[in-house]
Amino acid sequence: QQQVKQSPQSLIVQKGGISIINCAYENTAFDYFPWYQQFPGKGPALLIAIRPDVSEKKEGRFTISFNKSAKQFSLHIMDSQPGDSATYFCAASMGQAGGFKTIFGAGTRLFVKA
Amino acid sequence: KAGVTQTPRYLIKTRGQQVTLSCSPISGHRSVSWYQQTPGQGLQFLFEYFSETQRNKGNFPGRFSGRQFSNSRSEMNVSTLELGDSALYLCASSTLTEGEQFFGPGTRLTVL
Repeated sequence: QQQVKQSPQSLIVQKGGISIINCAYENTAFDYFPWYQQFPGKGPALLIAIRPDVSEKKEGRFTISFNKSAKQFSLHIMDSQPGDSATYFCAASMGQAGGFKTIFGAGTRLFVKA
Repeated sequence: KAGVTQTPRYLIKTRGQQVTLSCSPISGHRSVSWYQQTPGQGLQFLFEYFSETQRNKGNFPGRFSGRQFSNSRSEMNVSTLELGDSALYLCASSTLTEGEQFFGPGTRLTVL
């Protein structure tokens, strides 16, 4: 119930293409769904996040689509660029014990070919 | 605003030793969480501290412990190191109510 399942494990996309990464969760207590981007040698950095009362959120080339009934959410990277090559983690967060607890997906390694 | 800092960045220890890692959160952030990142297991939640109190804990053995000081700085300790403890240990800070976390660069621990 605490798991967040992320797919695919790796993704190769041509420059200018659309990258799509999917995640699914089980626990309906999750109420915050962030995506993080991690480059080698760096910590993850927040990319974009959504709450379950919204079905879509767009920031620049990055869009989160959220399907509350299916308990799924996805990240779309439009016009993918070589600089987007990184590992992407979805996560689900819930309030707990006065704070919050975040569960991460296993990550997707994205490679954008020039 | 300065980001989350972690020290040391790299550490090599041998089995059986213990290690202490340090994390300084973003100024004004009172919540600090620790994660273990390995290629096989991804990001695993260790524990979260707020106002010097551990509020949440992941499924790690008691060899993993932490604490938070009054200035919100946090330390993580691993005793009796095992080869499987080799990982990148990440610290993240956040404000009280939001789930948004800001990660440090991590400490790369290698256990020989």
